Amino acid sequence: GQQVMQIPQYQHVQEGEDFTTYCNSSTTLSNIQWYKQRPGGHPVFLIQLVKSGEVKKQKRLTFQFGEAKKNSSLHITATQTTDVGTYFCGGGTSYGKLTFGQGTILTVHP
Amino acid sequence: EADIYQTPRYLVIGTGKKITLECSQTMGHDKMYWYQQDPGMELHLIHYSYGVNSTEKGDLSSESTVSRIRTEHFPLTLESARPSHTSQYLCASNPGYSSYEQYFGPGTRLTVT
Repeated sequence: GQQVMQIPQYQHVQEGEDFTTYCNSSTTLSNIQWYKQRPGGHPVFLIQLVKSGEVKKQKRLTFQFGEAKKNSSLHITATQTTDVGTYFCGGGTSYGKLTFGQGTILTVHP
Repeated sequence: EADIYQTPRYLVIGTGKKITLECSQTMGHDKMYWYQQDPGMELHLIHYSYGVNSTEKGDLSSESTVSRIRTEHFPLTLESARPSHTSQYLCASNPGYSSYEQYFGPGTRLTVT
């Protein structure tokens, strides 16, 4: 079945440093979604990428979808303490199911 | 904020008990999902539904069962709880058209003693 790998598992940064998490799928995806889960909370949707090579930005966050639609990345510029949490990618099929990666736990030290 | 609700939020129960975790959404979404998540770990899809009277097992084998008699309601039942069922259970929905975004409920944190 479809597998989605996400690295790194943990990332500790100083406030102001950049952060990147990577997501790789074993199969071509219909779309990829990114979610953020704060400690003790539930996943909250950040963005969806559908097109090959697509790049989207949300303030300090930049999301990319690979040309082959099998990999993606999330980059945060100048991290803040409010960025703390676990970032999940979810590889989607045309039927709406998502296969999630293992998540990257981001810790930001002030 | 999405209108998807889960009850109870926390449940501590003894081995062998039957439990039902409730999930309701008021958005009229056709597609609903149940995920199991251990602390700090990935989300595993255990059940999903594409509409009334439609239920399918997910990627992770689970001893739980689900039903979808009404669009807004997608309960999950464990006939006989075991300590290995201790986990967080998250319900999600999406409209099934135009966007694949999933809206998550707050989750039920289950502890089986």
